[in-house]
Amino acid sequence: GESVGLHLPTLSVQEGDNSIINCAYSNSASDYFIWYKQESGKGPQFIIDIRSNMDKRQGQRVTVLLNKTVKHLSLQIAATQPGDSAVYFCAENTGGFKTIFGAGTRLFVKA
Amino acid sequence: DSGVTQTPKHLITATGQRVTLRCSPRSGDLSVYWYQQSLDQGLQFLIQYYNGEERAKGNILERFSAQQFPDLHSELNLSSLELGDSALYFCASSVDQGDTEAFFGQGTRLTVV
Repeated sequence: GESVGLHLPTLSVQEGDNSIINCAYSNSASDYFIWYKQESGKGPQFIIDIRSNMDKRQGQRVTVLLNKTVKHLSLQIAATQPGDSAVYFCAENTGGFKTIFGAGTRLFVKA
Repeated sequence: DSGVTQTPKHLITATGQRVTLRCSPRSGDLSVYWYQQSLDQGLQFLIQYYNGEERAKGNILERFSAQQFPDLHSELNLSSLELGDSALYFCASSVDQGDTEAFFGQGTRLTVV
């Protein structure tokens, strides 16, 4: 069945360091993998997505890596800032009609 | 501000009651999605509508129903409420039905007592 899971529930990093948030998935049929950020008291916010036929995609300060061999997805945040503190969800989209979210990783940025 | 409006922001009701949550999507978006988020849990996909038609169903209970109206706003109806239905309910919208980028509202926090 479909499942998207996260390796670590919490991650604490020093301001200015790079952050790496990991995610495992089980559905090889997913077309897209997506990262969302949810700040306290707000709805999730789209960060970046990657199509299943790619292995890397870069955005502004973020890079998503996809390893289909081991069904692993990661989000790298460069020069982490206090404003990056949030819960990060990986998600997968199969067929475009529904996006399945994982459990989330909470990122703490220490000043 | 995502442009997606959800009302009410908070709702407290008793077990057995029925409530309606409302969502106005971003201007121009045809797809609306509903998600449930329990405390410290991920987002559970409930249902998706596109231009008034149901497109996909997730883990939505039979006690729950939704619809999207001609003006594209959507309502989620929750009936025979149980304590376990207490959660944040999010609505999201996107331009098309196949979009990976969806814009989420601030959510409605439902508390069943």
